[in-house]
Amino acid sequence: KQEVTQIPAALSVPEGENLVLNCSFTDSAIYNLQWFRQDPGKGLTSLLLIQSSQREQTSGRLNASLDKSSGRSTLYIAASQPGDSATYLCAVEDSNYQLIWGAGTKLIIKP
Amino acid sequence: DAMVIQNPRYQVTQFGKPVTLSCSQTLNHNVMYWYQQKSSQAPKLLFHYYDKDFNNEADTPDNFQSRRPNTSFCFLDIRSPGLGDAAMYLCATSRAEAPEQFFGPGTRLTVL
Repeated sequence: KQEVTQIPAALSVPEGENLVLNCSFTDSAIYNLQWFRQDPGKGLTSLLLIQSSQREQTSGRLNASLDKSSGRSTLYIAASQPGDSATYLCAVEDSNYQLIWGAGTKLIIKP
Repeated sequence: DAMVIQNPRYQVTQFGKPVTLSCSQTLNHNVMYWYQQKSSQAPKLLFHYYDKDFNNEADTPDNFQSRRPNTSFCFLDIRSPGLGDAAMYLCATSRAEAPEQFFGPGTRLTVL
C-alpha cells in the first residue's frame, strides 16, 4: 500500500532564504507526483506536476524534482517571501489513478 | 477564466439535518472528485466520477451520496450530518488523459 510522508511537518525560515521541502513515497510504481499549496481555510492550488518519466519541473521560483528509484521528491523554493507562507502538500498518483497524499509541510516565512 | 466553483463557501447545518454542497466547472473536464479534509490532515477521497461512471471509495460512509447530472455539475449530499462530518469539502476536476487535478476553493461545513 502506497504511503506518502512529508518531513518536516512545519518549517519556519527568514525571508530571502532558499529552502527545500521533502516528500517520500513507499512504492515507486507511480504515474506522477504533484505538489500543491494550501492557504489557511482555502482550497488547493496545483504548483507543479512531474510525470513519472520526468526528473524535474520548474515554475518561477519553484523547482520540483523526482527520483522514483529512491522514492523521493523535493520542492525547492528560491528567495522565499512572506507570501510563500502556506501548507505544501505532495500527492502521488497510483496505479488506480488515485492521489495518495502526504500530510503536508506548514511553511512560515518570517519577514 | 476557466475554473472550479464551489457553493456555498461556508455552510452551517444542524446535527442530522440534510445538506447539499455543489460544485461546477467550466474546464470541460470529464473527471470530477469530492474530497473531505479535516483540520491539519490530508484530503480524503470520497467519490469520483469518470464522465457519469460513479466510483465510491470503499470506506466512504453511506451517509454521503453524490450526483452528477451533467458534465459541469456535481453535488455532494450528506443525509444526516454528524459532528464528525464537520470539515472542508473539496471538489476537483481533471481530464482522464491528463492527470493534473484542479481544485475549487472548498466548502467549510460546520455541524451544530
